[in-house]
Amino acid sequence: DTGVSQDPRHKITKRGQNVTFRCDPISEHNRLYWYRQTLGQGPEFLTYFQNEAQLEKSRLLSDRFSAERPKGSFSTLEIQRTEQGDSAMYLCASSLGSSGRGNEQFFGPGTRLTVL
Amino acid sequence: DQQVKQNSPSLSVQEGRISILNCDYTNSMFDYFLWYKKYPAEGPTFLISISSIKDKNEDGRFTVFLNKSAKHLSLHIVPSQPGDSAVYFCAASGTQGGSEKLVFGKGTKLTVNP
Repeated sequence: DTGVSQDPRHKITKRGQNVTFRCDPISEHNRLYWYRQTLGQGPEFLTYFQNEAQLEKSRLLSDRFSAERPKGSFSTLEIQRTEQGDSAMYLCASSLGSSGRGNEQFFGPGTRLTVL
Repeated sequence: DQQVKQNSPSLSVQEGRISILNCDYTNSMFDYFLWYKKYPAEGPTFLISISSIKDKNEDGRFTVFLNKSAKHLSLHIVPSQPGDSAVYFCAASGTQGGSEKLVFGKGTKLTVNP
């Protein structure tokens, strides 16, 4: 399978705990995105990497959130001191990056986070 | 302020008929538009896209129309099949540098009845 993969698929945690999610993009894709989706809403942009550089972060990404993409391959998203409002589906997407010619992003299956 | 709007939360059509899903946007900087299909508990799946230099793009049963002056796009599915039942998201991005992040609408749930 050469699609985007995410791990874990589901995570249940207690408020105040830290969680980390992993995303493996399509291998030749240099762009990687994180989005968050809550019930009844479309996905909302969180952050973006071009290779290993984190180039943009949404104001939705509070200081409890941190993302990395070491060596420009897989990426991790960590949430510290989780809150109930963090409960959502966290989606990772990757793309080849073709500025000016369109940017089809391919999504992974998501990680469903439930904070109790 | 929602920059991409899908005003119909749901749509029901008969198998074999046409499904028309609509989307409006407000940001004039958007120049690339995409449609995604999403099943429950899965990530969005890319369907079809269109650049602002075009007004129509076709791929099999799926056609996307873009009306730039009205800031409106639509997805036509002909003929509709029960397997098309899913939530459809419209997304937009600006391709002139930057992250080209996608801005999504809230989605339209399509039900195709046999």
